[in-house]
Amino acid sequence: EVQLVQSGAEVKKPGDSLKISCKDSGYRFTNSWIAWVRQMPGKGLEWMGIIYPGDSETRYSPSFQGQVTFSADKSIRTAYLQWSSLKASDTAMYYCARHGRSSWEPLDYWGQGTLVTVSS
Amino acid sequence: QSALTQPASVSGSPGQSITISCTGTSSDVGGYNYVSWYQQHPGKAPKLMIFDVGKRPSGVSNRFSGSKSGNTASLTISGLQAEDEAEYYCTSYTSIATWVFGGGTKLTVL
Repeated sequence: EVQLVQSGAEVKKPGDSLKISCKDSGYRFTNSWIAWVRQMPGKGLEWMGIIYPGDSETRYSPSFQGQVTFSADKSIRTAYLQWSSLKASDTAMYYCARHGRSSWEPLDYWGQGTLVTVSS
Repeated sequence: QSALTQPASVSGSPGQSITISCTGTSSDVGGYNYVSWYQQHPGKAPKLMIFDVGKRPSGVSNRFSGSKSGNTASLTISGLQAEDEAEYYCTSYTSIATWVFGGGTKLTVL
């Protein structure tokens, strides 16, 4: 069964950089699209974008284009979400989830979430 | 790319049926049969309940059903149970090959 295991909670200061991870224990990592979803405190879900670990193709939601960077290392079945300069407004729970072979497939498996807190 | 529109809250008594609407545009909900619904309990990751408008993943109760008419999709939960109390989110594939979520609906079982 597919399991997405995310890295632990982070507490950072504004301006810090950060890279969080999502490790896939399944066998279809390189043939599936991995999405990142933001949930700000007390708010709804926001689809940030996707990466295809097989060739590292990425697609960003217009709202997140230029704000974050997705990457993946298929040798260790891990996807990453990265910020170069965090803001307080980046404080949120971040989930990785799997779309499947095609990007129009639903998010069928989810990680447990990584809580990112940005505070001075 | 605006979020899909969902009612902020709905409620129902055990055993009753409720319907949650999800309104988009012809560039998302109305243009594709790729609408999914997720259930999220407090402090938990979302769970897929309905995909491709009206299909249920294995293991999801048949009390959950989905449909679509024009630019509006709907999730119906029949025979409400206490454990159905949660936040529900719709999401749709879009014309720019991205996905967009609805704002979420809090379901209260009275």
